[in-house]
Amino acid sequence: GQNIDQPTEMTATEGAIVQINCTYQTSGFNGLFWYQQHAGEAPTFLSYNVLDGLEEKGRFSSFLSRSKGYSYLLLKELQMKDSASYLCAVPRTGGSYIPTFGRGTSLIVHP
Amino acid sequence: GAVVSQHPSWVICKSGTSVKIECRSLDFQATTMFWYRQFPKQSLMLMATSNEGSKATYEQGVEKDKFLINHASLTLSTLTVTSAHPEDSSFYICSARPQLAGGTYEQYFGPGTRLTVT
Repeated sequence: GQNIDQPTEMTATEGAIVQINCTYQTSGFNGLFWYQQHAGEAPTFLSYNVLDGLEEKGRFSSFLSRSKGYSYLLLKELQMKDSASYLCAVPRTGGSYIPTFGRGTSLIVHP
Repeated sequence: GAVVSQHPSWVICKSGTSVKIECRSLDFQATTMFWYRQFPKQSLMLMATSNEGSKATYEQGVEKDKFLINHASLTLSTLTVTSAHPEDSSFYICSARPQLAGGTYEQYFGPGTRLTVT
């Protein structure tokens, strides 16, 4: 089975940096996804990590440590529009790449 | 590119009636489409996986006779909630996986359908 754990809620200030952590347990590892979901909307893809290390994409970066079962999403230069839920997900084993989602971390950015 | 639409975006229906939700991939062909359900402040839970031209694969605990899924073409899948009850009220989201050589891990989500059963 798979188990994903991430904080329920975080708050941060506009312009700051925030790190959203995710720990996971899975019987077979096929990478890790991060999605952003605004309230009442569908998730949008942010990143997919399969190798250890940090991958940077503009203001957003994602880190993975397979040995620790740990990932984080780093958001820099926070903007009000970054207020959303951030979902960590790991694909099922077996090659289907169907993601199992965590509960998500609700990020609130305030002025 | 890679746009997925859902219709309707929201629907209110009476208990006991059926509701059909459409999911379309607008600019690509989707080998596989997925249907998720999300309750407030909860995670997305996969309900079923549908492949064009074959029967859907339902997740454990999801009643296939209640949630009818049809994937008639590479761009359209439908979910029909039959004999809806208030506890079926939820946010239903579909996603589509492009038909690419070698497969892909990517999937594109539709905007979701808010179902309220009164």
